[in-house]
Amino acid sequence: EVQLQESGPGLVKPSQSLSLTCSVTGYSITSNYWGWIRKFPGNKMEWMGYISYSGSTSYNPSLKSRISITRDTSKNQFFLQLNSVTTEDTATYYCARDNHYFDYWGQGVMVTVSS
Amino acid sequence: DVQMTQSPSNLAASPGESVSINCKASKSISKYLAWYQQKPGKANKLLIYSGSTLQSGTPSRFSGSGSGTDFTLTIRNLEPEDFGLYYCQQHNEYPYTFGAGTKLELK
Repeated sequence: EVQLQESGPGLVKPSQSLSLTCSVTGYSITSNYWGWIRKFPGNKMEWMGYISYSGSTSYNPSLKSRISITRDTSKNQFFLQLNSVTTEDTATYYCARDNHYFDYWGQGVMVTVSS
Repeated sequence: DVQMTQSPSNLAASPGESVSINCKASKSISKYLAWYQQKPGKANKLLIYSGSTLQSGTPSRFSGSGSGTDFTLTIRNLEPEDFGLYYCQQHNEYPYTFGAGTKLELK
């Protein structure tokens, strides 16, 4: 069974970087696409980007140059880095398998941006 | 970006009833719409993709219809476990976009 689990700090200071890990079991990240999605307070959902089976990436233009998604295939993990965070980046962050729709999700990690 | 307008934002119903949730895209997305169920403490669940294709494991009381800009999720004969938050998501073009969500509550 495909399982995903997010991990990372729950509190980040403004202007710093947010870094999260998604650990995948039951399926290799060298197949398919793997994405990050976030849910803001108030329930708005936003697709952030993906990393493909080959390591190529695609990002939501709304995040401009602040986002980076990378991976470690030896550990079957992929990562999110979001730079220069503000309070508006406070959200629950999810990783998911991306088939254009998202068929497997992690449970999400809540990240608060606050000083 | 494709804007997704989901309605209603809240819905109250009783077990055994049928409900419908609507999603309208700001431009044609062909058939490429997915529906998800979200419940606290559980991983989000893909219910339907490509407008009407049931994901493996989705009960047959769920159905999806529509194409172009207008889509509907229908849940027949509601079960207690169906109450939660529902989202639509277009998967026709990047960036993928979501509706604002519908909270289905027990009446």
